Amino acid sequence: KAGVTQTPRYLIKTRGQQVTLSCSPISGHRSVSWYQQTPGQGLQFLFEYFSETQRNKGNFPGRFSGRQFSNSRSEMNVSTLELGDSALYLCASSPPQGGGTGELFFGEGSRLTVL
Amino acid sequence: GIQVEQSPPDLILQEGANSTLRCNFSDSVNNLQWFHQNPWGQLINLFYIPSGTKQNGRLSATTVATERYSLLYISSSQTTDSGVYFCAVYYYGGSQGNLIFGKGTKLSVKP
Repeated sequence: KAGVTQTPRYLIKTRGQQVTLSCSPISGHRSVSWYQQTPGQGLQFLFEYFSETQRNKGNFPGRFSGRQFSNSRSEMNVSTLELGDSALYLCASSPPQGGGTGELFFGEGSRLTVL
Repeated sequence: GIQVEQSPPDLILQEGANSTLRCNFSDSVNNLQWFHQNPWGQLINLFYIPSGTKQNGRLSATTVATERYSLLYISSSQTTDSGVYFCAVYYYGGSQGNLIFGKGTKLSVKP
């Protein structure tokens, strides 16, 4: 069974640009969550999608957005990039289970560098 | 919101030694996971453990939910065990989302 797949794995952008990251969950998983990891702030929750609906959102500015498609694949977008957006962005999926307490499985991440 | 504290923050071991990593959390949680982050950044699932004890090879974990802590035991450590170990709790609370991570324990195993 294929794991969570994230693309691209590495990317470099300049300030002011925007970026879109993609995440394909494990087959059968309908919940997708996104996390940002930085040396200073650690791992922080961005948002969670379930059946194409945003179910929860973390404390990030509106420049960070996401969506989920009918096949459960998800994308996140960051507009007007800032230097501080340089981070490892991790996507996780979990099996269909009530209450959102299912075990999370993470992808390898997308490492974004903003110059 | 909930606080998740891991200790120690750093740990250096000689190959073959045993270790215990601790995770304390400040409120009741729905569940708990332990992860190992490999050098490439991927979070590898170790245990999904709301309570009780589980074992997987040289690793085992115990969660005592009523006392709000979990322990990860690593026995006969190997150099490949090096990396950062994260505890994460499932918690419903406003904007903190579903999975709240501790800051991790960085483990270095020397040959």
